[in-house]
Amino acid sequence: GAVVSQHPSRVICKSGTSVKIECRSLDFQATTMFWYRQFPKQSLMLMATSNEGSKATYEQGVEKDKFLINHASLTLSTLTVTSAHPEDSSFYICSADPSRDYGYTFGSGTRLTVV
Amino acid sequence: KQEVTQIPAALSVPEGENLVLNCSFTDSAIYNLQWFRQDPGKGLTSLLLIQSSQREQTSGRLNASLDKSSGRSTLYIAASQPGDSATYLCAPAGGYGNKLVFGAGTILRVKS
Repeated sequence: GAVVSQHPSRVICKSGTSVKIECRSLDFQATTMFWYRQFPKQSLMLMATSNEGSKATYEQGVEKDKFLINHASLTLSTLTVTSAHPEDSSFYICSADPSRDYGYTFGSGTRLTVV
Repeated sequence: KQEVTQIPAALSVPEGENLVLNCSFTDSAIYNLQWFRQDPGKGLTSLLLIQSSQREQTSGRLNASLDKSSGRSTLYIAASQPGDSATYLCAPAGGYGNKLVFGAGTILRVKS
C-alpha cells in the first residue's frame, strides 16, 4: 500500500515551453504533497508544499510563478514548470505522508531536460 | 533550521561485510526519522521509519537506531550484498508541517 505514482518519468522540452508533472496517490488520500528538486550528485531540496484546496507553500528562493503547483483533489498534485530554461533541467520528485505511522512515500521522479 | 550530516560520504566494501552508516542532525525536536535508499536516476525507497519514542527498528538485514537527545541515527547493514549498492539517505521529520530534511547521503558500493 501507500503508492505514489509520478508521470512522466522523463521529459525533454524546448526552452520557453511549459511542462506539467503529475503526482497521484493511488491507495490513500493525500491532503498534503511535497515537491522536491535534486541536482546531480546532490541531495533533495524541498521546493514547495502542496495543499489540497488551497495555495501551495513555497520554500525560500523558489519562484512561485515559475513552478506552479495545483492540488486539485485529494489524490492529485501537479507541478508545472513554466517558460522552462536549461537551468531548470533537474530531477523532480514528489512525496506524500499517508499517515504519521507509515512515513513518507515517494514517487519515482521525473527527469526534466530543457534544450 | 535543521541540518543533517551523513558520514561517510562514500563507502566501497567487499561483499559480506557489515556496515555502519552515520547520520547526525542539529535539531532534536523531531517527530520521526526515515532512512531511504535511492538507486541512480530513481525515486526513493523507504527502508526504515523510527518514531521519536523508539530507539531502533529492524527490517531483515537492516537495523536503524535513534538517539534523539544527541541528534544521531545509525543504519547497520549486515552481510552486505552487491544489490545493496545505492545512495542511502537519512531524513528526520519535524518542525511546522512535519517536513523531511535530507542529508547529502552515503554512496555505497558493494563489490562482488
